[in-house]
Amino acid sequence: GQSLEQPSEVTAVEGAIVQINCTYQTSGFYGLSWYQQHDGGAPTFLSYNALDGLEETGRFSSFLSRSDSYGYLLLQELQMKDSASYFCAVRVYNAGNMLTFGGGTRLMVKP
Amino acid sequence: GAVVSQHPSWVICKSGTSVKIECRSLDFQATTMFWYRQFPKQSLMLMATSNEGSKATYEQGVEKDKFLINHASLTLSTLTVTSAHPEDSSFYICSASGTGSTLAKNIQYFGAGTRLSVL
Repeated sequence: GQSLEQPSEVTAVEGAIVQINCTYQTSGFYGLSWYQQHDGGAPTFLSYNALDGLEETGRFSSFLSRSDSYGYLLLQELQMKDSASYFCAVRVYNAGNMLTFGGGTRLMVKP
Repeated sequence: GAVVSQHPSWVICKSGTSVKIECRSLDFQATTMFWYRQFPKQSLMLMATSNEGSKATYEQGVEKDKFLINHASLTLSTLTVTSAHPEDSSFYICSASGTGSTLAKNIQYFGAGTRLSVL
């Protein structure tokens, strides 16, 4: 099976930078995804890494190190609307697009 | 972008009744749909994976006779919670992935979820 670990809660102030880490244990690792979910809402896709390195999309970036079984989501220029839960999720070979989600990190952005 | 519609968004029912939840992909063909259950402040727990035209694959511990899944077309999957009881109260979310010229690979597109309350 797969297991993922990420911090349960992170607090930061508006305008700051925050990094949410995710470590995983799995066989047949294919890629790591990040999703954002506001309370009561649907998860929305943020990023996907299959290769080592940094992927940048606007204020959000995601990093993967396959050798370390580790990735992170970097949020820059934090805004109040970024307060949400962030989930990392792994995809493995021979499982199609099936994902296994981490426990989620609740990010609280304060003024 | 890809849109997944889930209906109803909220349902209250009496214990013992059955509830059907629909999940539709509006602008793409969903070859695979997933059903999740989520408790407050917890992660998404995969219940089952369904491929169009075939039987769903249920995760360990999920009763297939309790949670009936039908994926009869490339745009529609349904989850029926049969003989619902208060312990079935939860947030149920569907997602879909598929193929299409404008559809990104490796992504699941999520519906808005259904909050089920069983009295």
